[in-house]
Amino acid sequence: GQQLNQSPQSMFIQEGEDVSMNCTSSSIFNTWLWYKQEPGEGPVLLIALYKAGELTSNGRLTAQFGITRKDSFLNISASIPSDVGIYFCAGTRWDSGTYKYIFGTGTRLKVLA
Amino acid sequence: DGGITQSPKYLFRKEGQNVTLSCEQNLNHDAMYWYRQDPGQGLRLIYYSQIVNDFQKGDIAEGYSVSREKKESFPLTVTSAQKNPTAFYLCASSKKGANNQPQHFGDGTRLSIL
Repeated sequence: GQQLNQSPQSMFIQEGEDVSMNCTSSSIFNTWLWYKQEPGEGPVLLIALYKAGELTSNGRLTAQFGITRKDSFLNISASIPSDVGIYFCAGTRWDSGTYKYIFGTGTRLKVLA
Repeated sequence: DGGITQSPKYLFRKEGQNVTLSCEQNLNHDAMYWYRQDPGQGLRLIYYSQIVNDFQKGDIAEGYSVSREKKESFPLTVTSAQKNPTAFYLCASSKKGANNQPQHFGDGTRLSIL
């Protein structure tokens, strides 16, 4: 099945730095979702985006739905050690009578104190 | 609290054995999903169900089976036909409606081979 191109695959950053990651596709999506997964747990929804151009914040997190509907980015400002985890993007589109969810391969974030 | 409960947290399978992973939700969601996650990879869809007594194969359904007899429950059976079952299994659910709704996940079951 298709997976979204997510970059970077992994990143080490210093505490207090800002982080940016993105997700791209050759297909148009109706919704973009960002999840965080910690070791041994399920992904937790961070932000959901429903309209092209939409910019939404959740605390120190900000995500945008690209104008072309083929990409999205997630920014984390002033990172802290508990931001460690894997961040997944997901897009949904209408396909064969139902909404299909396509997931990215994840960005693994490590924060150095 | 509303949520999705997966059990057990860890499961071991012997050769030739079928095992069943439980997924229960009290979110009143119509749709439920099963994913497989391998190290360093994204989520791959095994099966999904949008309504009771109906389900469809996902991208990697071979060696797996499901049932949806109740809205709240969507158990996954890993059969002996699945030759490489070691993975982290995630169950998810979502509202069904005209607008696509985000999926919400359980905490997963890690399946290993004895």
